[in-house]
Amino acid sequence: DAKTTQPNSMESNEEEPVHLPCNHSTISGTDYIHWYRQLPSQGPEYVIHGLTSNVNNRMASLAIAEDRKSSTLILHRATLRDAAVYYCILRVPRGTSYGKLTFGQGTILTVHP
Amino acid sequence: EPEVTQTPSHQVTQMGQEVILRCVPISNHLYFYWYRQILGQKVEFLVSFYNNEISEKSEIFDDQFSVERPDGSNFTLKIRSTKLEDSAMYFCASSDAVRSGNTIYFGEGSWLTVV
Repeated sequence: DAKTTQPNSMESNEEEPVHLPCNHSTISGTDYIHWYRQLPSQGPEYVIHGLTSNVNNRMASLAIAEDRKSSTLILHRATLRDAAVYYCILRVPRGTSYGKLTFGQGTILTVHP
Repeated sequence: EPEVTQTPSHQVTQMGQEVILRCVPISNHLYFYWYRQILGQKVEFLVSFYNNEISEKSEIFDDQFSVERPDGSNFTLKIRSTKLEDSAMYFCASSDAVRSGNTIYFGEGSWLTVV
């Protein structure tokens, strides 16, 4: 599996934007970039995914570098409920391994009131 | 919103005992998974299951582990003879397809403590 690198931790203030970076320099041309998060004492939760173009949904935005070697998850206005571990995961597009998510250590996001 | 439900939320068992963790995946989903997370460590893939058979398993998923879909709604993980190192949070997950953009939905987890 292609590897991702994320900062161990980041901090933000409530209602400010948060930019969570992820490096994936060995990404292949068909790997999708997925983001999941894990709130305290809960299971992982899907946030967003993309391939080449930037993506927006109700939770966040995903900005993907032109060379696809990095991406940034953007929370436009952080709330206290966004405090979680955020995982950047690369997924192959098909095959039996497709269902397997390989979690790294992720980025622990702390949101201050 | 549909969700994956797991029972029990917490189970304490003695070493060597058998444990069954139960999951009800989202109703129209066809792909089922178990992951585990030892306290303070990463979430680890255990097994994926489709069409009544295992499609992939990790090295962790040895002969002590088994999965079953006994009926149309439940998906279970059995640990035959628990060890201390099996203490972890076990997450069940499901998805409707194996596509590039499909979402995997996780349950809240079952916390297993082996004493």
